[in-house]
Amino acid sequence: DTGVSQDPRHKITKRGQNVTFRCDPISEHNRLYWYRQTLGQGPEFLTYFQNEAQLEKSRLLSDRFSAERPKGSFSTLEIQRTEQGDSAMYLCASISGSSYNEQFFGPGTRLTVL
Amino acid sequence: LAKTTQPISMDSYEGQEVNITCSHNNIATNDYITWYQQFPSQGPRFIIQGYKTKVTNEVASLFIPADRKSSTLSLPRVSLSDTAVYYCLVGDFFMDTGRRALTFGSGTRLQVQP
Repeated sequence: DTGVSQDPRHKITKRGQNVTFRCDPISEHNRLYWYRQTLGQGPEFLTYFQNEAQLEKSRLLSDRFSAERPKGSFSTLEIQRTEQGDSAMYLCASISGSSYNEQFFGPGTRLTVL
Repeated sequence: LAKTTQPISMDSYEGQEVNITCSHNNIATNDYITWYQQFPSQGPRFIIQGYKTKVTNEVASLFIPADRKSSTLSLPRVSLSDTAVYYCLVGDFFMDTGRRALTFGSGTRLQVQP
């Protein structure tokens, strides 16, 4: 257990539905990242927050994807009008404000779009 | 970020030493080398990081030659629980751009047999 939690761990939805995932980072970590991982591939960066500010979102896969971190603590990732191609593991990671690189990953949310 | 190349898979037996080599010919002066481990259905976990020569921690050793164009992760006396995917990453992780997203390749799948 890294101290980063994600909810839910698994989500099955039908195509066209909206889904929202939550990430709770380590409490003193001010930087939070979202990644997507498909089968057989390494994680792919999606977006990044420093406190409540979303500083990088150009890698979000489409305008159906959005993320928030309203109070600089937990974060949510929403996918609207899900497609079968959105099926993947969605990972959250956090890092402290220090210069040390180690990112702490949560267990991920596995999304299956039917 | 510099591109990395590592073997797709490796097999070993319990008790053996495993060495996984990663090539990063375009590594920049400020780049560090970091290795992550990922078990199925879990997020990646930081193993070790280095800049040059040798780094050792309680889990692994990292060997980096003088030209830094490659690196070798060494796992001493592996056990079945070391079966995982190992990712080599290269980047200027200490640069305070606020965009320290990690760029993962496909990793090396290590299978440890009894």
